[in-house]
Amino acid sequence: DAGVTQSPTHLIKTRGQHVTLRCSPISGHKSVSWYQQVLGQGPQFIFQYYEKEERGRGNFPDRFSARQFPNYSSELNVNALLLGDSALYLCASSPHDNEQFFGPGTRLTVL
Amino acid sequence: GENVEQHPSTLSVQEGDSAVIKCTYSDSASNYFPWYKQELGKGPQLIIDIRSNVGEKKDQRIAVTLNKTAKHFSLHITETQPEDSAVYFCAASRNGNQFYFGTGTSLTVIP
Repeated sequence: DAGVTQSPTHLIKTRGQHVTLRCSPISGHKSVSWYQQVLGQGPQFIFQYYEKEERGRGNFPDRFSARQFPNYSSELNVNALLLGDSALYLCASSPHDNEQFFGPGTRLTVL
Repeated sequence: GENVEQHPSTLSVQEGDSAVIKCTYSDSASNYFPWYKQELGKGPQLIIDIRSNVGEKKDQRIAVTLNKTAKHFSLHITETQPEDSAVYFCAASRNGNQFYFGTGTSLTVIP
């Protein structure tokens, strides 16, 4: 079975630009969560979506937004990029509450 | 919100020895505690989890214990092998959706 897929793998942007990251969950999983992992730290929760509805939001500024599509795939958007947004962005899908399965992540570098 | 602390930050063991990683959490309502293994350049991989109605769970060489009263849980790896070398993260969740992660333990198994 295919796991969680994310695209792109790597991305380089400059300050002030906008970025869109994409995630496809495991087949049959209706919930998608997004996490930011800064180098040397644990993942930090950004958003969770279930059946296209936002179910939770972490402590991130309004520059971060997300959405989930009818096929349960998801996009994470970040506007007005800052140097501090450089991180590994992880997507996780869930079949139900509790278990989350992570994708390989998108490495974002902001110059 | 929840605060998860993890110790030690680095751990080196000889092949065949045991490794123990400890985490504490602050929210007494947390009821799900997964452990993830993250290899370089990859997303976190769920290796074992425990729910608050269970005190211990074992899966081959890996075991997790939970002390709800003290609000701490531990990961035990026995008969360590070089392929166990990775960064390990604990996490806690009260609603099965938003996970709070520890800061990670870099485990090195010396052949």
